[in-house]
Amino acid sequence: KQEVTQIPAALSVPEGENLVLNCSFTDSAIYNLQWFRQDPGKGLTSLLLIQSSQREQTSGRLNASLDKSSGRSTLYIAASQPGDSATYLCAVFSGGYNKLIFGAGTRLAVHP
Amino acid sequence: NAGVTQTPKFRILKIGQSMTLQCTQDMNHNYMYWYRQDPGMGLKLIYYSVGAGITDKGEVPNGYNVSRSTTEDFPLRLELAAPSQTSVYFCASSSTGGAFFGQGTRLTVV
Repeated sequence: KQEVTQIPAALSVPEGENLVLNCSFTDSAIYNLQWFRQDPGKGLTSLLLIQSSQREQTSGRLNASLDKSSGRSTLYIAASQPGDSATYLCAVFSGGYNKLIFGAGTRLAVHP
Repeated sequence: NAGVTQTPKFRILKIGQSMTLQCTQDMNHNYMYWYRQDPGMGLKLIYYSVGAGITDKGEVPNGYNVSRSTTEDFPLRLELAAPSQTSVYFCASSSTGGAFFGQGTRLTVV
């Protein structure tokens, strides 16, 4: 059974810091991995999708890496801003039928 | 391009009532999913489908049923609603290009 864990559960940092959010999964036989952002009371916004053959993806100040063999992904946020405050969710596409399994998320607060 | 559309956005049910949450997507995706999200928690997979006519249980299927008669639609049925089913429900569809989510249905059972 695939399990996804995100560390830390919560993070509070001053504006301008570089951050690393961690995601680990128990079954390395995944297809893709996707990072999402969720603002309070809102839906999910896709940030980055890493295909199984890729090692990393970048979008603006965000960089996500994937190491399937060790069952890990990291989301790097450069020069954090208060607008980055949200919950960040990691999800893996795993199993023979592309089940999409989520971690519990990291709740990020960036203060001015 | 509407993406994934869920209806209704909000609903209050009494204990024991039944209802269907609607989900439709216009991206011709084979894979579709239903999740529930309890306050302060991540998303738990209820049911998923790999194509019309094929569905399977996720992590928390008890108290729910689904059907997939077309590629576009994936309704979630709640029978005999219980307070434990108070949650926000999200529908999603996916392809090799990743997963796309609806805006959610906030359900309260009283």
